[in-house]
Amino acid sequence: DTGVSQDPRHKITKRGQNVTFRCDPISEHNRLYWYRQTLGQGPEFLTYFQNEAQLEKSRLLSNRFSAERPKGSFSTLEIQRTEQGDSAMYLCASSLGPQFYEQYFGPGTRLTVT
Amino acid sequence: AQKITQTQPGMFVQEKEAVTLDCTYDTSDPSYGLFWYKQPSSGEMIFLIYQGSYDQQNATEGRYSLNFQKARKSANLVISASQLGDSAMYFCAMREGTGFQKLVFGTGTRLLVSP
Repeated sequence: DTGVSQDPRHKITKRGQNVTFRCDPISEHNRLYWYRQTLGQGPEFLTYFQNEAQLEKSRLLSNRFSAERPKGSFSTLEIQRTEQGDSAMYLCASSLGPQFYEQYFGPGTRLTVT
Repeated sequence: AQKITQTQPGMFVQEKEAVTLDCTYDTSDPSYGLFWYKQPSSGEMIFLIYQGSYDQQNATEGRYSLNFQKARKSANLVISASQLGDSAMYFCAMREGTGFQKLVFGTGTRLLVSP
């Protein structure tokens, strides 16, 4: 399978715990995006990487959130001290780069904070 | 101000018929792009079709076509010959500018295709 993959697909955690999600983009894609989707809404942008550089962060990304993309390959999104409001689907997408605008999404990680 | 507006929370269509899903957008950037994505109940966002602001012709991809009316700032998705597997949420999205390319999504339209 050469699409975007995400792990885990589902995560249930207790409030206050830390969680980490992983995204593996399509191999030749140098741009990687994280989005968050809550029930009944479209995805909302969280952050963007070009290769290993994190170039943009949304105001939605509080200081409890951190994302990395070491070596410009896979990316991780960590949420510290989770809150119930963090419950959502976390989607990762990748794109090839300039002039190739299509973003291809992974299956998402559904986070439930109890 | 809302950048992408999808006014149809739900749409029904019979199998084999065509359906139009509405999308209007708001931007002052002359360079932008419009996307449609399908999200089945499994959750994955599936890219359907893309229209650039400078594209002269309406985009088409198989049974999907994008009715792009620039002056009206609308980018409606037309699905021809609907199939039961088309039942899903459909999201319109926009990117602005030529550099950084985050997508801004609408709230979606749920399409139900009946036999």
